[in-house]
Amino acid sequence: SAVISQKPSRDICQRGTSLTIQCQVDSQVTMMFWYRQQPGQSLTLIATANQGSEATYESGFVIDKFPISRPNLTFSTLTVSNMSPEDSSIYLCSVESERNYGYTFGSGTRLTVV
Amino acid sequence: ELKVEQNPLFLSMQEGKNYTIYCNYSTTSDRLYWYRQDPGKSLESLFVLLSNGAVKQEGRLMASLDTKARLSTLHITAAVHDLSATYFCAGGSNYKLTFGKGTLLTVNP
Repeated sequence: SAVISQKPSRDICQRGTSLTIQCQVDSQVTMMFWYRQQPGQSLTLIATANQGSEATYESGFVIDKFPISRPNLTFSTLTVSNMSPEDSSIYLCSVESERNYGYTFGSGTRLTVV
Repeated sequence: ELKVEQNPLFLSMQEGKNYTIYCNYSTTSDRLYWYRQDPGKSLESLFVLLSNGAVKQEGRLMASLDTKARLSTLHITAAVHDLSATYFCAGGSNYKLTFGKGTLLTVNP
């Protein structure tokens, strides 16, 4: 299955600033997915990123707040913009692994906004 | 819109005991997934269930899927401390995963 390198692994940021999270996959994938896991909660899909097109955002998430780039088939970034303490969460990227092997997740970025 | 409900949300077991985690989903789901998450870690894929009646086993964990009842179960046999983690089920449709709230499993000696 695919191997994902995600960074940073954690960060503490001031409110009002932005943080860009990177995910690098060791193989070419059509779609990459970005999830948020709020403290003690389950995972919620933020958006789906396809190479060469705009990301598709889920209800409750907007491009101005979570801009995504997908410059090629192995890399994507998620930016959390104008952060507030409510953005403190774990952010994870994911790709579909080999068929029938489910989805592989990155190691996650633990974001704390102060 | 797919909704996934897991129960129980918290489960404290003794080593050696058996127990089952239940996952109900609201509408048709292409696949049903089970993941494990250790504290501070990412998600580890346990099982992918594709069709009605599917049963998969790995060690002390066995997962099954009943698409007619829209129910998947994760059965734990003779629990050991190393199984302590949070377990998530997720339904998948059109490449979108919808997760349950997770079951925090604690296995006590």
